[in-house]
Amino acid sequence: AQSVAQPEDQVNVAEGNPLTVKCTYSVSGNPYLFWYVQYPNRGLQFLLKYITGDNLVKGSYGFEAEFNKSQTSFHLKKPSALVSDSALYFCAVRRTGTASKLTFGTGTRLQVTL
Amino acid sequence: NAGVTQTPKFRILKIGQSMTLQCTQDMNHNYMYWYRQDPGMGLKLIYYSVGAGITDKGEVPNGYNVSRSTTEDFPLRLELAAPSQTSVYFCASSTQGFETQYFGPGTRLLVL
Repeated sequence: AQSVAQPEDQVNVAEGNPLTVKCTYSVSGNPYLFWYVQYPNRGLQFLLKYITGDNLVKGSYGFEAEFNKSQTSFHLKKPSALVSDSALYFCAVRRTGTASKLTFGTGTRLQVTL
Repeated sequence: NAGVTQTPKFRILKIGQSMTLQCTQDMNHNYMYWYRQDPGMGLKLIYYSVGAGITDKGEVPNGYNVSRSTTEDFPLRLELAAPSQTSVYFCASSTQGFETQYFGPGTRLLVL
């Protein structure tokens, strides 16, 4: 079985400060990892993914994520937060292979304040 | 491109009623999905389809049915609505199976 843990229900950051949203995963074999963002009353939007290669993945809106195999983590980061980054963030994992479905975490609400 | 569209945006059903949630995508994606989102629970996969005429169950298929007669459309049917089906439903599509998915805006369903 595969699973994703997002240990923080909410992360509060001041605008201009760096932000980190945590994600750890459990999967047999090699993982595919994704981050999605959901703005109020909207569907999820793809931010970035890790398939293979460089452990640091860059995505949309200045976000990046670092894949750490030994810690089974895929934390989302941004050097300087904006108020407009306030949203719900979901981490998701699947194992490589065509038969594997995607498992989503429970989400972390990011609140960026002035 | 409109992407993934869903109708209706919001619906109130009485227990035992039935309804169909519509989903259409104009990106010519083979894969389509239905998820439900409950507060604090993330997204749970209900059904998915790998192409026209082919559907399969996800994690929580009970109480739902789907069909896929065309590449573009993937309706979700609730036959006998129950309060446990109160949720927000999202349709999504992708070019490859469980790869980057494109989501619709969602349908909020309340069963009373």
